[in-house]
Amino acid sequence: NAGVTQTPKFRVLKTGQSMTLLCAQDMNHEYMYWYRQDPGMGLRLIHYSVGEGTTAKGEVPDGYNVSRLKKQNFLLGLESAAPSQTSVYFCASSRHGLAGGSGYLYEQFFGPGTRLTVL
Amino acid sequence: AQTVTQSQPEMSVQEAETVTLSCTYDTSESDYYLFWYKQPPSRQMILVIRQEAYKQQNATENRFSVNFQKAAKSFSLKISDSQLGDAAMYFCAYRSAVDSNYQLIWGAGTKLIIKP
Repeated sequence: NAGVTQTPKFRVLKTGQSMTLLCAQDMNHEYMYWYRQDPGMGLRLIHYSVGEGTTAKGEVPDGYNVSRLKKQNFLLGLESAAPSQTSVYFCASSRHGLAGGSGYLYEQFFGPGTRLTVL
Repeated sequence: AQTVTQSQPEMSVQEAETVTLSCTYDTSESDYYLFWYKQPPSRQMILVIRQEAYKQQNATENRFSVNFQKAAKSFSLKISDSQLGDAAMYFCAYRSAVDSNYQLIWGAGTKLIIKP
């Protein structure tokens, strides 16, 4: 299993350009997430999906759009990139709910991240 | 809204010694989950240990253990017999047991330096 993969690993954009980040998971997870990580801060949730064909806004959704046309893929789009979107982007996935009868919560598995610079 | 605070931006420890990383959180919920994640220079986010709030017993995973103080809303990570490979950013995270999106709320992180 490859786990969670992200494409590309690095990208440099000019202000106003658009791009799409691809996240793929081969663990048949229902839930998928997009986070951004900025210096001195923890990860912040951009958008998430609880299943194929569904998406929802997280903490910092402005300037981003997402799509989940297939269960294994979760795309993050920037329609008009801004310097404030310079960040490291992480995708994560998890199973839904609790494991067995112990109340053991399924963990989130993370991709390796994409470093995006907007000039 | 829940918040997670890590008050130590950086910590250092001598190899083979023990270090404790602090984490406090704020929530009005009674049922939740707490996590410590490790992020080495490779950037890969790795789960270190987790704790269910309804469990009084502190979680342990080999050299890693937590001190969970529910009333004080404190969740510290103890690393025993520190190794060079433990050098990384460590993040504390909170997850509601109620919210259906299972969103993780993250602290700002603590950079752990291991001195050989």
